[in-house]
Amino acid sequence: NAGVTQTPKFRILKIGQSMTLQCAQDMNHNYMYWYRQDPGMGLKLIYYSVGAGITDKGEVPNGYNVSRSTTEDFPLRLELAAPSQTSVYFCASSYQDNEQFFGPGTRLTVL
Amino acid sequence: QQQVKQSPQSLIVQKGGISIINCAYENTAFDYFPWYQQFPGKGPALLIAIRPDVSEKKEGRFTISFNKSAKQFSLHIMDSQPGDSATYFCAASETLSWGKLQFGAGTQVVVTP
Repeated sequence: NAGVTQTPKFRILKIGQSMTLQCAQDMNHNYMYWYRQDPGMGLKLIYYSVGAGITDKGEVPNGYNVSRSTTEDFPLRLELAAPSQTSVYFCASSYQDNEQFFGPGTRLTVL
Repeated sequence: QQQVKQSPQSLIVQKGGISIINCAYENTAFDYFPWYQQFPGKGPALLIAIRPDVSEKKEGRFTISFNKSAKQFSLHIMDSQPGDSATYFCAASETLSWGKLQFGAGTQVVVTP
């Protein structure tokens, strides 16, 4: 099993550009999550999904969108990138509300 | 507003010493308290977790102590090793919240040889 995979590993965007961060898991987990990690702030939940076709906002959803068309994939879309979205983004998955397994992260810089 | 407050921000301990990280929470509905360990350039990984029906849980050199009345829990790393150098996050969630975790700000632990 690959676990939770994320692409790309690194990305630099210009202000106003858009991009999609990819996340996939092969553990047949029903719950998936997107977090952002900023220095000294811990991890903040952006969006989460409890199954294909079901998504909901977390603590910091502004400027982001998600979709979940399959159990395996949970992409995060950034529209009109802003410097405040410079962060490290982690995707995680779990079976129900048990242990969350995290991907390796995507480091995004918006200039 | 941070729902889970973690201290200290950073910690330096000698090899063989004890590392202690503390967390406090306000939401009395929280009933699951995991600790995650993160190495540089990696995603967090579950280290140990506790539910409020016990006051202590031990796994190897790692122990969680839980004080429900004080709404506090802590991680103790016994016989700290250089390989334990990492950032540690406490977290909390409540049943029926779809597993949504509230994380503390993290503690960077450095174990010197």
